[in-house]
Formats: sequence, structure tokens, C-alpha cells
Amino acid sequence: EAGVAQSPRYKIIEKRQSVAFWCNPISGHATLYWYQQILGQGPKLLIQFQNNGVVDDSQLPKDRFSAERLKGVDSTLKIQPAKLEDSAVYLCASSPGTGLVEQYFGPGTRLTVT
Amino acid sequence: LAKTTQPISMDSYEGQEVNITCSHNNIATNDYITWYQQFPSQGPRFIIQGYKTKVTNEVASLFIPADRKSSTLSLPRVSLSDTAVYYCLVGRPDGSSNTGKLIFGQGTTLQVKP
Repeated sequence: EAGVAQSPRYKIIEKRQSVAFWCNPISGHATLYWYQQILGQGPKLLIQFQNNGVVDDSQLPKDRFSAERLKGVDSTLKIQPAKLEDSAVYLCASSPGTGLVEQYFGPGTRLTVT
Repeated sequence: LAKTTQPISMDSYEGQEVNITCSHNNIATNDYITWYQQFPSQGPRFIIQGYKTKVTNEVASLFIPADRKSSTLSLPRVSLSDTAVYYCLVGRPDGSSNTGKLIFGQGTTLQVKP
């Protein structure tokens, strides 16, 4: 079974530029999550989708971050404009979506903002 | 949302049993306890999940006392490859709009020495 795919794996941009990350969840998984992990900290949930609807985006900085999951499959997370403090690893995870289920994480995208 | 407290770091030697304890005094009745493992440059990986008493799988055991205010992850006979960060989480991530989300703390960095 293929795991969660993410691209790119690494990205370096200057502050005030924009960047987009892509995630393809495990086939059939209804729930998709985006996390931000700053060095030395645990992952922080940014947004959670159930199919193509948003379940929780309470910790998403909506003035600069946006995410979409068209057709309920793959998803894109965008940052515009980026700030230095956005430097982090952005993790995508998916789960079957109902009941007490484990989340399957992708390898992440390491973003460096200079 | 229940907060968890776990040691920042632990050291062990190959072949030893390692026990990592997590405190979650405010755990709710419907909350489960889940442990994830994260290697450098990878996303977290589900290890084990439980509600009460003891749960065992091929990787670890999870001990939960009757009051459920703490839990202990037990790794039998660790090897160098078990060096990782271990996260204790409490919640019910099932994708519905009315349940709590997973909150990752700082985790416990386990260093296994030869």
C-alpha cells in the first residue's frame, strides 16, 4: 500500500514570497491533516479536512495560510506571503476518517524562509 | 483538551527495557491514549493506542492504571534503531466535527546507546 506522498521535500524561499505544498493521501482515506512542526517541537495541527470539507482550521493563520482539498483527494497548502517564523517542516497525514483511527504521516516538506 | 506531560529525554542501552511515562490528569471519559514515534526527517508513526488496562502489540506495550491519569509505554529490549522522539497524545481524532484534535507535546527523546 502506498503511503502519504508529499512534494516538494525541501523548499527555500525569501520572506514575502509565496509557496505551495502538495499532499496525496492514502487511497480511500477520507480525512486529511496538515501539521506544522517547528524544530524541537511536536507537530501542530493547522487544518483538518473530512473529504473536501474543513473540520478544524482553528490554528491556521488565515491571513497568510490557505488550504484546499478539491474533489476530496489530494490537497494543497499555500503560504502567501511567507515570514521567517514559517520556517518549519510541513507534515501531511491521512486517516480512514471514522472511529478511533491512527493517522498516517507523509515525509514532510522542510521549508526555510530567509 | 487534555494536556500531557512526559520527560523531555531518556537514555538507555541496547537490550534494556524502556518505560516512558506520560501524565494526563485531565483526561476525559471518552479519550483514548495514543503513542507515536518520530525518527529524524520523517513524519510520526503510530505505535499503540489504548483506553484502559494493558494493550500489547508486536512493537510495544501500553499500561494504563484504573484512574487513567497516566500511562506508560514499554519498549522491550530496545536497539539503536529505537532512538527517536516518542509522543503521548490524548484525544479522539475521528474526523467528525465535534471531537477533539490530537495535540502533540514536546515528546520524549529516547537515546539508545550501544
